[in-house]
Amino acid sequence: AQTVTQSQPEMSVQEAETVTLSCTYDTSESDYYLFWYKQPPSRQMILVIRQEAYKQQNATENRFSVNFQKAAKSFSLKISDSQLGDAAMYFCAYRSAFNTGRRALTFGSGTRLQVQP
Amino acid sequence: GAVVSQHPSRVICKSGTSVKIECRSLDFQATTMFWYRQFPKQSLMLMATSNEGSKATYEQGVEKDKFLINHASLTLSTLTVTSAHPEDSSFYICSAPLAGAPYEQYFGPGTRLTVT
Repeated sequence: AQTVTQSQPEMSVQEAETVTLSCTYDTSESDYYLFWYKQPPSRQMILVIRQEAYKQQNATENRFSVNFQKAAKSFSLKISDSQLGDAAMYFCAYRSAFNTGRRALTFGSGTRLQVQP
Repeated sequence: GAVVSQHPSRVICKSGTSVKIECRSLDFQATTMFWYRQFPKQSLMLMATSNEGSKATYEQGVEKDKFLINHASLTLSTLTVTSAHPEDSSFYICSAPLAGAPYEQYFGPGTRLTVT
């Protein structure tokens, strides 16, 4: 079974600064997807960024980028130029790429990000 | 992007009663939907996979007779919490993957259930 671990329950960053959220995972599968989701106080899950395991290039979405280290099974999220609206709970998630594999997402325990003005 | 709705957004029920939560994909067909439960300050835990036209698949430890799932159509899945108890109070979230794009998964806004 796959597991996802987020070792930082809470993080804090100053507005306009950069912060990195950590995530490690364990799997025996060779192909999979990794995600970072944001959950603001409204509780609506919002996809921040996605990475396909077969792609070596790290995904980027505007101020959000990942550092994907497949051999180390590490998938960290970097938020640049942090904004007050970035304050939320962030979840790292895993999904098998195989149709016979688990199709639901497996989530980490989450990291609460605070942004200080 | 695709939209998934949930109804109701909040519900309060008395202990021993049943409550139904609906999950709808508004602009796409979903042969599969997932039901998650999220306790306060915790992560999302998969409860079951809802399959259109067949029985739901439950995760280990989830009572299928207590959490009844019906995937009535390609756009609707329902979760019925039967004989609810205070410990069932939680936030329930459904999601649906987009056919042909398995990495695209859309979440409903969630339902907060409070059992008194």
